[in-house]
Amino acid sequence: DSGVTQTPKHLITATGQRVTLRCSPRSGDLSVYWYQQSLDQGLQFLIQYYNGEERAKGNILERFSAQQFPDLHSELNLSSLELGDSALYFCASSPGWGGSEKLFFGSGTQLSVL
Amino acid sequence: GQNIDQPTEMTATEGAIVQINCTYQTSGFNGLFWYQQHAGEAPTFLSYNVLDGLEEKGRFSSFLSRSKGYSYLLLKELQMKDSASYLCAVYSGAGSYQLTFGKGTKLSVIP
Repeated sequence: DSGVTQTPKHLITATGQRVTLRCSPRSGDLSVYWYQQSLDQGLQFLIQYYNGEERAKGNILERFSAQQFPDLHSELNLSSLELGDSALYFCASSPGWGGSEKLFFGSGTQLSVL
Repeated sequence: GQNIDQPTEMTATEGAIVQINCTYQTSGFNGLFWYQQHAGEAPTFLSYNVLDGLEEKGRFSSFLSRSKGYSYLLLKELQMKDSASYLCAVYSGAGSYQLTFGKGTKLSVIP
């Protein structure tokens, strides 16, 4: 158990809908990262928050947004969903802002868009 | 941009040694990680290299050559439980650093 909690574990929805994925980092960790994993693309970095502020941004679509709250939990919002958004979404956390720190990953949210 | 290449799949025999290579092209290199990911599970940290050379940790070792943009993960005394995907990840960037993963190498250990 990494100490990172993601909910829900599975999510099935329809095209055009909006969903929210939730992540609670390990106790004491200030950074939260979101990754998308599909079979053909591997783990794709979406975005990182550090202590409530956006720190780094990857190839995150404009339809996707995220935030980190004062209690350090984070939410990833996915809107106007398309079939291609079906993937495993991982959240990870680390104590500081990154660099040489290893990431601790949650067990992921499997999103299926039908 | 960043480019990370690893073999897609490898097969090795239980008890043997296997080397998984990773080459990368990036700007602002600031470290290389290896993660292990069993099917349907979360990635877990294996090793970190920021300086050239070999880092050994039990049955696993990782090597880095920054001038060649090259790393490898060496797994010794392979066990069936080592069947997993091995992800090479590079921490780099110019201004906005991020950890970028390769597509992973799926290792199958056979009896």
